[in-house]
Amino acid sequence: EADIYQTPRYLVIGTGKKITLECSQTMGHDKMYWYQQDPGMELHLIHYSYGVNSTEKGDLSSESTVSRIRTEHFPLTLESARPSHTSQYLCASSEPGVDEQFFGPGTRLTVL
Amino acid sequence: QQQVKQSPQSLIVQKGGISIINCAYENTAFDYFPWYQQFPGKGPALLIAIRPDVSEKKEGRFTISFNKSAKQFSLHIMDSQPGDSATYFCAARPGSARQLTFGSGTQLTVLP
Repeated sequence: EADIYQTPRYLVIGTGKKITLECSQTMGHDKMYWYQQDPGMELHLIHYSYGVNSTEKGDLSSESTVSRIRTEHFPLTLESARPSHTSQYLCASSEPGVDEQFFGPGTRLTVL
Repeated sequence: QQQVKQSPQSLIVQKGGISIINCAYENTAFDYFPWYQQFPGKGPALLIAIRPDVSEKKEGRFTISFNKSAKQFSLHIMDSQPGDSATYFCAARPGSARQLTFGSGTQLTVLP
């Protein structure tokens, strides 16, 4: 089982609140990713990072931001949550030159 | 724009039967085609993957069939078991430096 962790697992929050979703991996992987997944739908890449101080936006436009200050840590922040941000957020990591992405268990976010 | 089209959306199979999930793609630059398995409450996990230089890859009960000319690939689960009940995602990637594009997912239910 992959050593990639996400907290919290579930979050219910009111509109306008600032939230940070945590993602950590202990595998030393350089590449990390954030995906957004609505129920029964495909995964959409919203952010990725190739290493410390490297972040890029993914295919799906997102109002969230990310940071990569340490190799093992890739937090995602929403400055002002809205009901449209309600979704599941999945974090993943991989090694350069290795195809497999390892996924965390996800954070299910509900914004009221 | 959905670059990887997956069908069916849901599939119900009797125990011992064969489950078949299909994916079609448009981008001829795709060169890596993985299948991910996702159980409720978990992140996706790599099940099996193929590159376009082979037409079939088998790992245990799971087989990928790849048709480069038709731009299609499929997952076959032989002797399907209730424990195989999960959501399956196909994906594709145009080169190792690029990101995965996921299909919309197939919810498989294997009846006991």
